[in-house]
Amino acid sequence: AQSVTQPDIHITVSEGASLELRCNYSYGATPYLFWYVQSPGQGLQLLLKYFSGDTLVQGIKGFEAEFKRSQSSFNLRKPSVHWSDAAEYFCAVGASGGSYIPTFGRGTSLIVHP
Amino acid sequence: DAGVIQSPRHEVTEMGQEVTLRCKPISGHDYLFWYRQTMMRGLELLIYFNNNVPIDDSGMPEDRFSAKMPNASFSTLKIQPSEPRDSAVYFCASSFSDSPEIWSQHFGDGTRLSIL
Repeated sequence: AQSVTQPDIHITVSEGASLELRCNYSYGATPYLFWYVQSPGQGLQLLLKYFSGDTLVQGIKGFEAEFKRSQSSFNLRKPSVHWSDAAEYFCAVGASGGSYIPTFGRGTSLIVHP
Repeated sequence: DAGVIQSPRHEVTEMGQEVTLRCKPISGHDYLFWYRQTMMRGLELLIYFNNNVPIDDSGMPEDRFSAKMPNASFSTLKIQPSEPRDSAVYFCASSFSDSPEIWSQHFGDGTRLSIL
């Protein structure tokens, strides 16, 4: 069965600084990978997804993520963080041949200082 | 383009009362999922449906919880009787069975449930 680890429970950055949120997965074959964002009082919104092809994927709100098979990672990045990016971020993995339920990480809370 | 719609957004009720949460998935989506989110346990899958049929309810915590999907555009999650430990945010999500998009879930804004 696949698993997802988000090593950082909280990340604090200053507005305008760059951001990288870490995600590691465990799965034997090529996984399907996702990043979701949850703003306070709202549901999870899909930021971006990786199925195949180019390992650098672009998402909404200026986010991007890079799939690195050798490191079993799918880290989320943004070059310049805005105060409105403060939210909870979830990494998720789906596995072809398994159930149709993605496995979610425990989330990373992003705090943005002015 | 309407997303997943959940109602009510907030529910406060007393222990022992019946609670019904509602969900309207995105039109054309044939998978529907119910999740519960708490600080302690994170996001937990309770049950999911495919073409209105329950596929896996192993995440339902106990017999007090039940879920139905009478048609493709409506689902309910019912708790009877409710207990304070059921307090959480309940999310509904839907997806389309065209692999690999099936893993790409669309979430509603959730129902924040407080049992006093």
